[in-house]
Amino acid sequence: GAVVSQHPSRVICKSGTSVKIECRSLDFQATTMFWYRQFPKKSLMLMATSNEGSKATYEQGVEKDKFLINHASLTLSTLTVTSAHPEDSSFYICSAPLLGTDSNYGYTFGSGTRLTVV
Amino acid sequence: QKEVEQDPGPLSVPEGAIVSLNCTYSNSAFQYFMWYRQYSRKGPELLMYTYSSGNKEDGRFTAQVDKSSKYISLFIRDSQPSDSATYLCAMSVGTASKLTFGTGTRLQVTL
Repeated sequence: GAVVSQHPSRVICKSGTSVKIECRSLDFQATTMFWYRQFPKKSLMLMATSNEGSKATYEQGVEKDKFLINHASLTLSTLTVTSAHPEDSSFYICSAPLLGTDSNYGYTFGSGTRLTVV
Repeated sequence: QKEVEQDPGPLSVPEGAIVSLNCTYSNSAFQYFMWYRQYSRKGPELLMYTYSSGNKEDGRFTAQVDKSSKYISLFIRDSQPSDSATYLCAMSVGTASKLTFGTGTRLQVTL
């Protein structure tokens, strides 16, 4: 089935540094990628929508200069958390719509990245 | 009022029980309805996908959508301890539109 591979699964970084999270679509082309943030025992909060070859669309209240999204190809989208602070510590998840690829419907999610900023 | 309402639980049932999970929504434009299962510290896994109103069955899982009432359900038959997870309902206007999630219901199936 269609899979989105997300890396790294866990990362610990120092305050002020930047962290890049990658999501790759395997066996299908992801023209759109959604990026979510999830706090413990809470639902997913949409941060931004990226489309291949164009600028990402950010949800209200999400700093585009802090959360840089790049979707340079149909199989790769990246989220870079710049100048990370402890309050950026969270679980980040990407997701791509399947659009009926090989009879797959719905949205497939990456396995998530747990970011801890110390 | 939230666009999608879901009882957060936790819901605790004995093994073998039938579980009923529900969501209500307010946006009549939603056409695509999904149920996801999420284990702790993992990404959501798609369980059921339904377009418009109707029922859909897959193994022990049955999804129901009633657009007239803006109400969707997921039934789990013969629940197993491995079903213990958080269940999220999600819906969208289009096949590639952003998803709107419920808050998730934590389910615990006990032996």
